[in-house]
Amino acid sequence: AQTVTQSQPEMSVQEAETVTLSCTYDTSESDYYLFWYKQPPSRQMILVIRQEAYKQQNATENRFSVNFQKAAKSFSLKISDSQLGDAAMYFCAYRSWVSGTYKYIFGTGTRLKVLA
Amino acid sequence: KAGVTQTPRYLIKTRGQQVTLSCSPISGHRSVSWYQQTPGQGLQFLFEYFSETQRNKGNFPGRFSGRQFSNSRSEMNVSTLELGDSALYLCASSLPTGVGGGTEAFFGQGTRLTVV
Repeated sequence: AQTVTQSQPEMSVQEAETVTLSCTYDTSESDYYLFWYKQPPSRQMILVIRQEAYKQQNATENRFSVNFQKAAKSFSLKISDSQLGDAAMYFCAYRSWVSGTYKYIFGTGTRLKVLA
Repeated sequence: KAGVTQTPRYLIKTRGQQVTLSCSPISGHRSVSWYQQTPGQGLQFLFEYFSETQRNKGNFPGRFSGRQFSNSRSEMNVSTLELGDSALYLCASSLPTGVGGGTEAFFGQGTRLTVV
């Protein structure tokens, strides 16, 4: 069965600094997508970045980038120039399409605190 | 474009009662998924509906059920509530895709259920 592990329950970063959130996953499937979602205190989950497993190039969205290591099944999120608004819960998620249906699995989340 | 709407936002119920939560997806989205979020457990997948059919179900007891209507709106029902059912229930909608499942999920703000 697929699993997603976020080993850092909580992280802190100084404003304007860089922080990396870790995520590892386990799967025997070859075709899947990986996502990072952000959940601020308002509770609305929003997509931060996505990575297709078949693409070797790491995805980048402005200050957010990933380090995707397919062989190691690792998918870390790097936030550069951290801002106070980045403070939130971050969830790593795995999604695949198997037998005509989706599988969408989330990690337990990492709470990011941004210090002024 | 209106986002995913979940009602009610907050709910307090007594053990043994039943509850129905509602989710209106983004217009045009036919796939609706439900998740239970609790501290330390992350998001646990409940079920997914597409075109009024349940396509996938998570590992939850039969007390948890759902349905989807022809307009893609979805309801989730929990019968014989237990204290452990207290959680944030999130609904997400997405455009259906085929192999790869790369479409992002758009989340509602959730319904906070408290069972006393």
